Amino acid sequence: ETGVTQTPRHLVMGMTNKKSLKCEQHLGHNAMYWYKQSAKKPLELMFVYNFKEQTENNSVPSRFSPECPNSSHLFLHLHTLQPEDSALYLCASSQEGRVSGATDTQYFGPGTRLTVL
Amino acid sequence: GDSVTQMEGPVTLSEEAFLTINCTYTATGYPSLFWYVQYPGEGLQLLLKATKADDKGSNKGFEATYRKETTSFHLEKGSVQVSDSAVYFCALGLYGNNRLAFGKGNQVVVIP
Repeated sequence: ETGVTQTPRHLVMGMTNKKSLKCEQHLGHNAMYWYKQSAKKPLELMFVYNFKEQTENNSVPSRFSPECPNSSHLFLHLHTLQPEDSALYLCASSQEGRVSGATDTQYFGPGTRLTVL
Repeated sequence: GDSVTQMEGPVTLSEEAFLTINCTYTATGYPSLFWYVQYPGEGLQLLLKATKADDKGSNKGFEATYRKETTSFHLEKGSVQVSDSAVYFCALGLYGNNRLAFGKGNQVVVIP
């Protein structure tokens, strides 16, 4: 498989459930990202990992817990979510640290459509 | 802070019409500029990008020119097709920083 893949594509969960979203990139990149896309709002960056180390957490509630076991895989563990957490969760990857310094392109997966009941 | 602003509201136009979506930015430093497209049910795909002033990005008939004097990166296409119906996002990335700031996106609907 090529590019960035995400599973599952759709997820419905209750507020007391625990679930995980998975992302895998096949591009040899060293940085991975979680974004939240809600209706009528700009794309929100949630977490950033560089070389498996978390480098950014944009004030995300603790009910979202990321995990990056290696530079190709990224998980988002979910527990006790709220209905307002319903959204499309997008994973992306890029290659950081190029000599030129210009921002590298981020490549996105298809997203997981999450519905919290 | 660094940000991009896209014109408000969806865009509806007929097939073969000319498309313009405005994007202006605010940034300190030397940003790279991107247009991403999101087709229904999919993630974002890079459409085109420009990394310095006066660069023109182009792809699939779409073009955008990095205008430092007007801090703009407007997207244009001369003749749209129904298959161009999607949401288009302008994004900014700072030099030396791989974080992207996205605009709110514009829904484009092309009618046959």
